[in-house]
Amino acid sequence: DVKVTQSSRYLVKRTGEKVFLECVQDMDHENMFWYRQDPGLGLRLIYFSYDVKMKEKGDIPEGYSVSREKKERFSLILESASTNQTSMYLCASSLRGARTEAFFGQGTRLTVV
Amino acid sequence: GQNIDQPTEMTATEGAIVQINCTYQTSGFNGLFWYQQHAGEAPTFLSYNVLDGLEEKGRFSSFLSRSKGYSYLLLKELQMKDSASYLCAVGHLNTGFQKLVFGTGTRLLVSP
Repeated sequence: DVKVTQSSRYLVKRTGEKVFLECVQDMDHENMFWYRQDPGLGLRLIYFSYDVKMKEKGDIPEGYSVSREKKERFSLILESASTNQTSMYLCASSLRGARTEAFFGQGTRLTVV
Repeated sequence: GQNIDQPTEMTATEGAIVQINCTYQTSGFNGLFWYQQHAGEAPTFLSYNVLDGLEEKGRFSSFLSRSKGYSYLLLKELQMKDSASYLCAVGHLNTGFQKLVFGTGTRLLVSP
């Protein structure tokens, strides 16, 4: 059974804190993605990675960075958390290629207070 | 850029048929995906269309017209468990790598 695992289901952090969201996949997928999901705005792509140590900005990268040191792990970093980063964060992975469905993790609901 | 539109909410009755529409404008189109997302859960893949026409998979079918920038998801014999959000996503080939751009989703409520 394919699996994308996010380290936390719920997280509460203070404004200004550095926050790490971790994602691990066991499918040997080349591509990994970080999205945030907000009511009325849908899923928006923050960053994606198509290979180890490679990263590409998505549509809303400001205030975020990522790290991919190993193929199975993709980390999202909030350098200095702000209240407008309160959201549901979803990690996904897929094989390289066109007709490749993405598999999603369960999501991390982050609240910044 | 990309622009994807789908209705915010729809209601239907158990046993009925419902069609959820999605229109898109994008460059580098590389397929259209539909995902289902139950409240509090991760999105799960339903279908993929890259050529024009209808793809049928059990109670669910998906249609694509690339010239019109239009797709729909058809759900037949609705069941209560089909109450969920349905996400339309366009595959976008950017510098050789596929990324997905999602619409805002359509919340479907199935009533008895």
